[in-house]
Amino acid sequence: GDSVTQMEGPVTLSEEAFLTINCTYTATGYPSLFWYVQYPGEGLQLLLKATKADDKGSNKGFEATYRKETTSFHLEKGSVQVSDSAVYFCALTANQAGTALIFGKGTTLSVSS
Amino acid sequence: DGGITQSPKYLFRKEGQNVTLSCEQNLNHDAMYWYRQDPGQGLRLIYYSQIVNDFQKGDIAEGYSVSREKKESFPLTVTSAQKNPTAFYLCASTPGSYGYTFGSGTRLTVV
Repeated sequence: GDSVTQMEGPVTLSEEAFLTINCTYTATGYPSLFWYVQYPGEGLQLLLKATKADDKGSNKGFEATYRKETTSFHLEKGSVQVSDSAVYFCALTANQAGTALIFGKGTTLSVSS
Repeated sequence: DGGITQSPKYLFRKEGQNVTLSCEQNLNHDAMYWYRQDPGQGLRLIYYSQIVNDFQKGDIAEGYSVSREKKESFPLTVTSAQKNPTAFYLCASTPGSYGYTFGSGTRLTVV
């Protein structure tokens, strides 16, 4: 079945460092890909998404490119802030109405000043 | 504003007791989902419903039950058959394949 694998954390960075969180997927067909962020004690917020190969999703300085040839959707940010500290989830869904999201296990990011 | 409301935010269950978690949405979304989150496990799908009066089991449905009598509501019951119910439970909805909206979650603890 479909699955998502993302790098294990925690990832610890200093403010203004470059961030990469790796995400690869296994899926039949052409899934849509997502990054969600979760702050402590809260639900998930959509960070960015891409719906077809070579699409780049971007939001709040974060970006990720849908790479079909490497089945990857790595999250990057050029300069992290303390406020970026959270858990990041990579997810996919098949392009069929009502299909559930399939998540990776999440990566905890901790940014210190 | 439209959104998903989960209640209560914190819930305590005694051994052998059934408890029901509420999930209500005013987004007019057709599909709704329940996920369970454990540390280091990501989110795992419990049940989902694509239309009223219909629902399907997810990957970890044992010990849980749901109903979908109204489009707006998708309550989850954690039964006494669920041996390890302590977790964070998240409800979500979507009108289609995109635009999933999540509630703020219910943290269930067995005491």
